[in-house]
Amino acid sequence: DADVTQTPRNRITKTGKRIMLECSQTKGHDRMYWYRQDPGLGLRLIYYSFDVKDINKGEISDGYSVSRQAQAKFSLSLESAIPNQTALYFCATSDRDPGQPLNEQFFGPGTRLTVL
Amino acid sequence: AQSVTQLGSHVSVSEGALVLLRCNYSSSVPPYLFWYVQYPNQGLQLLLKYTTGATLVKGINGFEAEFKKSETSFHLTKPSAHMSDAAEYFCAVSPSSSNYQLIWGAGTKLIIKP
Repeated sequence: DADVTQTPRNRITKTGKRIMLECSQTKGHDRMYWYRQDPGLGLRLIYYSFDVKDINKGEISDGYSVSRQAQAKFSLSLESAIPNQTALYFCATSDRDPGQPLNEQFFGPGTRLTVL
Repeated sequence: AQSVTQLGSHVSVSEGALVLLRCNYSSSVPPYLFWYVQYPNQGLQLLLKYTTGATLVKGINGFEAEFKKSETSFHLTKPSAHMSDAAEYFCAVSPSSSNYQLIWGAGTKLIIKP
């Protein structure tokens, strides 16, 4: 089974609808991240969470919200979807190691979201 | 602000030829450097990383990268391309003062010609 799973894998929705993307991990990592990927722009960080009670905005948080329901679950919501939120969304996790300031991030397979 | 530049959105090489994917970063202090690979319809996975120590870093699948501080570069190479190397490659940088955020390049799509 995959260590980082995302549901749904594909979603088509209409402008103004509320959408939730879910991420679950079995790696036991404390840190979780949500990115969006757009062609030619690489990955941009939306939100990140260092533990259940620690949630932070990333580079492009406007129009998004998140919920860290448990160590293993981190959901991304689009309160009122708009067409320029059409993108590939990735969840990632990483471990916390005092000896390493930044560890490898492990990515889910992505959710392709289309907002019409 | 920190930035990462990957030269060439698409790079095409023949099977068996040298692969060179370029990455330059802007940073006043040596950062931590990463290369990730994204195969079609998959998430990203780590190829290799540089944190400290030896500047030539070996990764998975025969790839390696060299950190050159004077050139602020971290180019990715592989001596002989294989068809299975076709993917998108991302360079990412973490400032040494940050413990969470990666700054990503725009990606380079590697095309392998038979």
